[in-house]
Parts: sequence; structure tokens; C-alpha cells
Amino acid sequence: KQEVTQIPAALSVPEGENLVLNCSFTDSAIYNLQWFRQDPGKGLTSLLLIQSSQREQTSGRLNASLDKSSGRSTLYIAASQPGDSATYLCAVRRTDSWGKLQFGAGTQVVVTP
Amino acid sequence: DVKVTQSSRYLVKRTGEKVFLECVQDMDHENMFWYRQDPGLGLRLIYFSYDVKMKEKGDIPEGYSVSREKKERFSLILESASTNQTSMYLCASTASPGQGWNTIYFGEGSWLTVV
Repeated sequence: KQEVTQIPAALSVPEGENLVLNCSFTDSAIYNLQWFRQDPGKGLTSLLLIQSSQREQTSGRLNASLDKSSGRSTLYIAASQPGDSATYLCAVRRTDSWGKLQFGAGTQVVVTP
Repeated sequence: DVKVTQSSRYLVKRTGEKVFLECVQDMDHENMFWYRQDPGLGLRLIYFSYDVKMKEKGDIPEGYSVSREKKERFSLILESASTNQTSMYLCASTASPGQGWNTIYFGEGSWLTVV
């Protein structure tokens, strides 16, 4: 059974510091991995999608890497800002069970001014 | 922009009531999902649908049913609400796998409290 883990559960950094968020998964049989942002009381907003054949994806200050063989993905956010404060979740799309998404529990990030 | 709309953001219902949560998407997506999100448990899949009138159980279907009469609309039904169904419910949609598994889009969520 696929398990997705995000460590740490919470993180606090001063403004300007780079953020490094980790996601690990137990089964490498995935179609893709997606990173989401969730603001308090809101739905999830997609940040980056990495297909299983890709090594990384970039969008502005965000960069996500994928190492399928070791079951790891890392989301980097450069030069963090207070507006980056949110919970970040990763999800893998499984190749079994009709490609259902398996979510991690998320990392809650606080960027202090 | 893709839009997934959940019509009710906050609901308070009594134990035993029948509850309907409605979700509409505007991108002609074949696949729609209902999740619930609880602290410490993350997102768990309740039901999903890959076509009109088609549905499949997710990981936690007990106490829930769904309806998909039109492609754009996916409804979650709590036949007899219980307090352990107090949660945030999230609807999502995505294009069919034939077009490559792509980004999944979420609604804003529906906060349900059962008293």
C-alpha cells in the first residue's frame, strides 16, 4: 500500500530564507507527483506537477524535484515571503487503483517578517 | 481558469438529517472526486466518478453516497448525518487519463458540522 510522508509537520523560517519541504513515498509505481498549497479554511491550489519521467519542474520561485527510485520529492521555495505561509501538501498518483491520488499530511509553513 | 465550485461553504446539520453537498466544475472534466480532510489524517477519498452515472468507492465510503446525473455536477449525500462526519469536504476534478494524467483542481471546501 502506498504511503506518503511529509516531514517536518511544521516549519518556521525568517523572511528571505529558502524553504525546503520534503515528501517521501513507499511505492515507486506512480504516474506523477503533485505539490499543493492550502491556505487556512480553503481548498487546495496546485503548484507543480512532475510526471514520473521527469526529474524536476520549476515555476517562478518554486522548484520541485523527483527521485522516483528513492521515493522522494523536494519542493524548494526561494527567498521566502510572509505570503508563502500556508500548508504544503504533496500527492502521488498511483498506477494501481485507477490512478487515485495518495496525499501526505502536509507541512505547515510560517514565514516571519 | 478552471473552476470547481462547492455551493455550500459552511453548514450546520442535526444528527440524522440527510445532507447534500453539491459540486460543479466548468472544464468538461470526466473525473470528479469527493475527499474529506481531518486534522492529523490528511485527505481521504470518499467516492469518485469517471463518467456520468458512474461511481466508485474510495477509501472511506461508509455512510456516504454520491450522484452524478450530469457531467459537470457531482453530489455527495450523507443519508443520516452523524457527529463523526463533522469535517471539511473537498470536491475535485481532473481530465481523463487518455489525455495524460494531469493537474487535479479543487473546490474551496465545505465545512460541515453535525450537532
